[in-house]
Amino acid sequence: TQLLEQSPQFLSIQEGENLTVYCNSSSVFSSLQWYRQEPGEGPVLLVTVVTGGEVKKLKRLTFQFGDARKDSSLHITAAQPGDTGLYLCAGVYLGSSNTGKLIFGQGTTLQVKP
Amino acid sequence: GAVVSQHPSRVICKSGTSVKIECRSLDFQATTMFWYRQFPKKSLMLMATSNEGSKATYEQGVEKDKFLINHASLTLSTLTVTSAHPEDSSFYICSARVQTSGRALSSYEQYFGPGTRLTVT
Repeated sequence: TQLLEQSPQFLSIQEGENLTVYCNSSSVFSSLQWYRQEPGEGPVLLVTVVTGGEVKKLKRLTFQFGDARKDSSLHITAAQPGDTGLYLCAGVYLGSSNTGKLIFGQGTTLQVKP
Repeated sequence: GAVVSQHPSRVICKSGTSVKIECRSLDFQATTMFWYRQFPKKSLMLMATSNEGSKATYEQGVEKDKFLINHASLTLSTLTVTSAHPEDSSFYICSARVQTSGRALSSYEQYFGPGTRLTVT
């Protein structure tokens, strides 16, 4: 079974704090994407990581792809109330069929209190 | 990024009727689109892969006769929920696959529509 374990699933922090969300699997990904979703809307793509060890930054967000391409992390520095939302990691497994379908983690609901 | 639209954004229907949801890629062509279902505060569950000009591929446990998918053009895929029941009430989201570069799976990205809230009464 292809599983992408995302943790934590719920996180409530104060404005200004830092946080990290993790996605882990026992399988290798050809690529991994991070999305942010607000209630009643579709997920919005934040970043795609492809190369093992890759680090990408998007303002206060830092995304890292593990060297073995089995795990990824999202780190938010100095979180703000506007960062509140559902964060989803999703990956294309290297051994999957040629459809390129995404496998999603369970999601992390982040609440940043002012 | 690429833009994907869905219509309608919200629909309320009576039990036993059918509802059609449209997914369009607005500024690009998509040979492959995906349909997802999402429950409150949960992640996305893939229902099926929609391929232009061929039959959709359904995930295990998804009834293909209940959730009809048609991908008649490179910019439009439709999902029809037939004989809807209250348990079909959910948030349905489509996505379109975009090739960024090369031909490897890693060169594709998925862009999502805004979702359709279906309520069956």
